[in-house]
Amino acid sequence: ETGVTQSPTHLIKTRGQQVTLRCSSQSGHNTVSWYQQALGQGPQFIFQYYREEENGRGNFPPRFSGLQFPNYSSELNVNALELDDSALYLCASSLARSLNTGELFFGEGSRLTVL
Amino acid sequence: AQTVTQSQPEMSVQEAETVTLSCTYDTSENNYYLFWYKQPPSRQMILVIRQEAYKQQNATENRFSVNFQKAAKSFSLKISDSQLGDTAMYFCAFRGRSQGNLIFGKGTKLSVKP
Repeated sequence: ETGVTQSPTHLIKTRGQQVTLRCSSQSGHNTVSWYQQALGQGPQFIFQYYREEENGRGNFPPRFSGLQFPNYSSELNVNALELDDSALYLCASSLARSLNTGELFFGEGSRLTVL
Repeated sequence: AQTVTQSQPEMSVQEAETVTLSCTYDTSENNYYLFWYKQPPSRQMILVIRQEAYKQQNATENRFSVNFQKAAKSFSLKISDSQLGDTAMYFCAFRGRSQGNLIFGKGTKLSVKP
């Protein structure tokens, strides 16, 4: 059974550019969520996808968007990058029925640096 | 809005000793879930223990146990017989029953010293 994998692990962009981060869910998981973890902070919820549709969103502007594919893999897209977007982006997958138990399975994250 | 507060940015403990990490939260909900997650230097967040608010009994997982005080909105984590591998960031997290996402505290950096 493979775990949650994210790519790339590290990347550097400049202000104004666009970035796409990718996530492969744990086998069999149909729900994926994305979190932003700034340095020295706890993760903050960006959005969640269930069966290819967004079904929850945190306090992030529309330039943060996502996709979930039929195989339950996912992408996080950020347009018009700002310096404050520099953070660790975590992907977490789960079975929908497991959400109540908090069994989110996290990847190791993508470290984004915006210069 | 729900909030989670961890008032100890850093803590250290000697190997084999016991340490308690504090967490308080604020919510108007009656049914919710609380969690402790561990994030080692490898960055991968791992669930340590969870508590359902309607259960009065404190959760226990091997060396990890919680002290859940619902009225005080307090949820502390006790680590017994600390091991070097326990060195990590520890995050307290809240999930309301009607929510699909977790709300995390800022974390406590725990160092276990030999």
